[in-house]
Amino acid sequence: QQQVKQSPQSLIVQKGGIPIINCAYENTAFDYFPWYQQFPGKGPALLIAIRPDVSEKKEGRFTISFNKSAKQFSLHIMDSQPGDSATYFCAASPLRNTDKLIFGTGTRLQVFP
Amino acid sequence: DAGVTQSPTHLIKTRGQQVTLRCSPKSGHDTVSWYQQALGQGPQFIFQYYEEEERQRGNFPDRFSGHQYPNYSSELNVNALLLGDSALYLCASSLTGSDQPQHFGDGTRLSIL
Repeated sequence: QQQVKQSPQSLIVQKGGIPIINCAYENTAFDYFPWYQQFPGKGPALLIAIRPDVSEKKEGRFTISFNKSAKQFSLHIMDSQPGDSATYFCAASPLRNTDKLIFGTGTRLQVFP
Repeated sequence: DAGVTQSPTHLIKTRGQQVTLRCSPKSGHDTVSWYQQALGQGPQFIFQYYEEEERQRGNFPDRFSGHQYPNYSSELNVNALLLGDSALYLCASSLTGSDQPQHFGDGTRLSIL
């Protein structure tokens, strides 16, 4: 019940493409769903987060879509750039900022020019 | 405004030894969480410290212990090291009661020989 399942494991797109990363959870107590970006040798950095009372959130080129009934959420990266090449993790938590985060297994994204 | 800082950056130990990793939280933060990230995996929650006490714990053995000091800095101690303890250890800080997300440091890469 504590798992967050993430797919695909890796993704290759051309510059300008729209990669989509999907996550699914089981625990209905989860109330906060962030996405993190991690570059090699660096710690995860928060990209965007959503709560289940909204179905979509956009911040710049990044969009989260949330389907509460299906217990699924996804990250869309619009107009992807080579600089977006990184590993992306979805996560879930019962509380926004102070509770433990349950992470997915990660998606390695490569954006080619 | 310094972010989360961790030391050392890299560490090599042998099986059976003990190790101490250190973390200074982002300025203004009072809560520190520790995560273990194995190669190619998402971070896994070890435990969280608030007001110098362990507030939450993940599924890690008692060989993993921690401490938080009055200045909010924290240590992670691992005893009787196993080969499987080789990982990137991440520290994240947050402010309890706020609406701000956890901020991660760049981690300590621990290698067990």
